[in-house]
Amino acid sequence: AQSVTQLDSQVPVFEEAPVELRCNYSSSVSVYLFWYVQYPNQGLQLLLKYLSGSTLVKGINGFEAEFNKSQTSFHLRKPSVHISDTAEYFCAVSLRYAGGTSYGKLTFGQGTILTVHP
Amino acid sequence: KAGVTQTPRYLIKTRGQQVTLSCSPISGHRSVSWYQQTPGQGLQFLFEYFSETQRNKGNFPGRFSGRQFSNSRSEMNVSTLELGDSALYLCASSPGITGGPGTGELFFGEGSRLTVL
Repeated sequence: AQSVTQLDSQVPVFEEAPVELRCNYSSSVSVYLFWYVQYPNQGLQLLLKYLSGSTLVKGINGFEAEFNKSQTSFHLRKPSVHISDTAEYFCAVSLRYAGGTSYGKLTFGQGTILTVHP
Repeated sequence: KAGVTQTPRYLIKTRGQQVTLSCSPISGHRSVSWYQQTPGQGLQFLFEYFSETQRNKGNFPGRFSGRQFSNSRSEMNVSTLELGDSALYLCASSPGITGGPGTGELFFGEGSRLTVL
């Protein structure tokens, strides 16, 4: 079985400051890794994903994440946050079956609420 | 391209009743997954359908069921509602096939918020 731990439930930060949201995962097989964002009363929107290749992945809205296989981590970073980044962020994994198949099942972390203060 | 559409957006039911939620995936997507989101348990996988077949299932009781139609639209049903079923139910669609840049990526709807009184 796989699991995802988001190390911070809430992260307050001032506008234009850098931010890092931490995510560790556990799995006995290869996984794909994702970060999603959820704004109030909305569904989830994909920020970025790691499938293979370069361990540094860039996403939308200036976010990036680095896959660290030895530490089983996939931390999300942004060098300068904006008020509009205030939202809940979810790290997720899906199993990578033989042949690269992933059957629509994501295991999510508990979420990190990012609050950007002016 | 239209996104994932879920109906209804909000609904209120009483204990013991049943409810049916609907999801229309992105055009061309053949896989539909359902998730339950609650403050206590977070986001939990319910089940996934691909070409009208349930391909994956989470750890929920049999009161939770779903189906997918030939046009890929999906419904989920919860029977004998309990207070703990109050949640945001999210539907997500994907191409559902291996390989390519879209592998593993899910596109979520805005959800159906169910309140059980």
